[in-house]
Order: sequence, then structure tokens, then C-alpha cells
Amino acid sequence: SAVISQKPSRDICQRGTSLTIQCQVDSQVTMMFWYRQQPGQSLTLIATANQGSEATYESGFVIDKFPISRPNLTFSTLTVSNMSPEDSSIYLCSVQEGFGQYFGAGTRLSVL
Amino acid sequence: QKEVEQNSGPLSVPEGAIASLNCTYSDRGSQSFFWYRQYSGKSPELIMFIYSNGDKEDGRFTAQLNKASQYVSLLIRDSQPSDSATYLCAVNSGGGFKTIFGAGTRLFVKA
Repeated sequence: SAVISQKPSRDICQRGTSLTIQCQVDSQVTMMFWYRQQPGQSLTLIATANQGSEATYESGFVIDKFPISRPNLTFSTLTVSNMSPEDSSIYLCSVQEGFGQYFGAGTRLSVL
Repeated sequence: QKEVEQNSGPLSVPEGAIASLNCTYSDRGSQSFFWYRQYSGKSPELIMFIYSNGDKEDGRFTAQLNKASQYVSLLIRDSQPSDSATYLCAVNSGGGFKTIFGAGTRLFVKA
């Protein structure tokens, strides 16, 4: 399976600032996904990022708040903009490989 | 109505017993079904997928699918303390790659 490196692993940020999360894959993949997981809850899909096209956002998530870049088939970034304490969560990137998805280690974000 | 429903648990079983985890889904067009295991503080890892009615076995794990009842289950035989984790049921609909995750069932295997 693909090896996914995600960074930072955790960060503590101030309200109103932005954080960019990076996801690097060791092989070329068509589809990458960004999820959010609140403590004790399941995964919520933020957006699907395909190389060469705009990301597709799920209901409740907008590009101005969560801009995504996908410059090539091995890399993507998710920015959490103008953060508030409600954005405190774990953010995960994943890739589609075969029949399932494989996840990065996640970024644990705390917003003060 | 939630799209993928699971009992949150916790489900507690003794070591060596069979753990049975259940999941129902609402979209009859769903075609692929997955079980992910998530240890505390870690990211989910894929352990099983199934797309045909019936059983699929892989080692100590058996996934069962009944599309008529919109029901998926995961059986873990000879449960070990290392199986203690949250198990997420996930469903893909309509041939696309969008995956809907259930909230997960916490499993505790007591030594």
C-alpha cells in the first residue's frame, strides 16, 4: 500500500490564523481525500482533491475556509483559514488505492 | 437518518471469544463495503472489504454482507487484547469513490 507522510503531526494555533497541512505520497495517485475527525467521532469528508482540477467540497465545507492544492499526483495541501476553536480537530489525508483508502497519520490541531 | 449506522459500544468480549460487529446502511445503491480498524490516537487502517453478498474470510476476520437487508458485519474469531480498537464500517455508493463512514464501534477484548 501507499506510504503517506502528513505534517505537521500536531499544532497549537491562535484564533484568526491559518495552518497548512501537507500530505506526501510515495506513489502517484489520482484521488486524494481530506477528512476531519472530532474526538470520539467518525470521519467527515471535507473534500476530494484530484490533480489538475478544482477540489470537490462536501456540504458544509467551502473553499475560502479550506483551500486545497493538488499540484501533482503525489502531493496535496489543506489550509485551515481564519481558525476558531471550533476548528480544533484531527485532520487526515487519504488516498484511494485498489478497493480501499489509506490514511496519513493525521494532524492534531488545537485552536486557542 | 444516518447513512451508515453502528452501535457505538463499547463491546466487551473475553479473550478467545468471537466478537461480532454490525453495521447498517441506508443507500440501496451502495456497492462496496469496508471495515477499518482505528487504534486510539492512530489513523484508520483498512482490514476488510466486501462487495458480494455472503461471507469473505481473511485469517481471523470474516466480513458478511446482506444487500437485501442492507447489513454488513465483521466477525473476529479468537479475539485478542490487541484487537481492542474502534472498528469503522464504511460504504461506497454508486460506483464512485466517496466513502461514508459510520461512527464506529469500540471493542474491548479482556485478557
